[in-house]
Amino acid sequence: DAGVTQSPTHLIKTRGQQVTLRCSPKSGHDTVSWYQQALGQGPQFIFQYYEEEERQRGNFPDRFSGHQFPNYSSELNVNALLLGDSALYLCASSPEGTDSMNTEAFFGQGTRLTVV
Amino acid sequence: SQKIEQNSEALNIQEGKTATLTCNYTNYSPAYLQWYRQDPGRGPVFLLLIRENEKEKRKERLKVTFDTTLKQSLFHITASQPADSATYLCALSGYALNFGKGTSLLVTP
Repeated sequence: DAGVTQSPTHLIKTRGQQVTLRCSPKSGHDTVSWYQQALGQGPQFIFQYYEEEERQRGNFPDRFSGHQFPNYSSELNVNALLLGDSALYLCASSPEGTDSMNTEAFFGQGTRLTVV
Repeated sequence: SQKIEQNSEALNIQEGKTATLTCNYTNYSPAYLQWYRQDPGRGPVFLLLIRENEKEKRKERLKVTFDTTLKQSLFHITASQPADSATYLCALSGYALNFGKGTSLLVTP
């Protein structure tokens, strides 16, 4: 079992550009959540996808959008990049039909995004 | 607004001692609380989950307590080892995980 995989591992973009990050959940998991982790901070919840729909959203602007595919993999898109978007972006998956409350989340290794 | 606070200072302890990390929260009534370990440049790894009706949970050298009156969780690592050096994150469970900033633990030989 490969666990949660994310790509790419590192990315450098210029202000104003757009970026797409990808995530494949752990086998058997259908719920995918995305988090942003700035240096020295804890992960901050961006949004969660279940059954190809955005189920919950954190306090992030509309520049952050996502998608979930029928195979449960997911993408995070960020438009009009700002310097402040530089962070480690983490994808987490959890088992079928559960919410985050009472089950562990499995995280990928993250994508380090640098905006210059 | 909801607030989660973990030890702001890094914790340095000697190998073999017990490390105790603190997680305090306000304006929140979580039914569940989780602890994760994070190594530099890696994603968090789940360690323990404790429910509001559980006072204590153990797993090998790890112990977590959850006091909903004090709004506090304590995370203990007994017989600490240099390999335990990492950042430890406390997370309150809602529809998503609400994380603290984490506490950096350094265990020296």
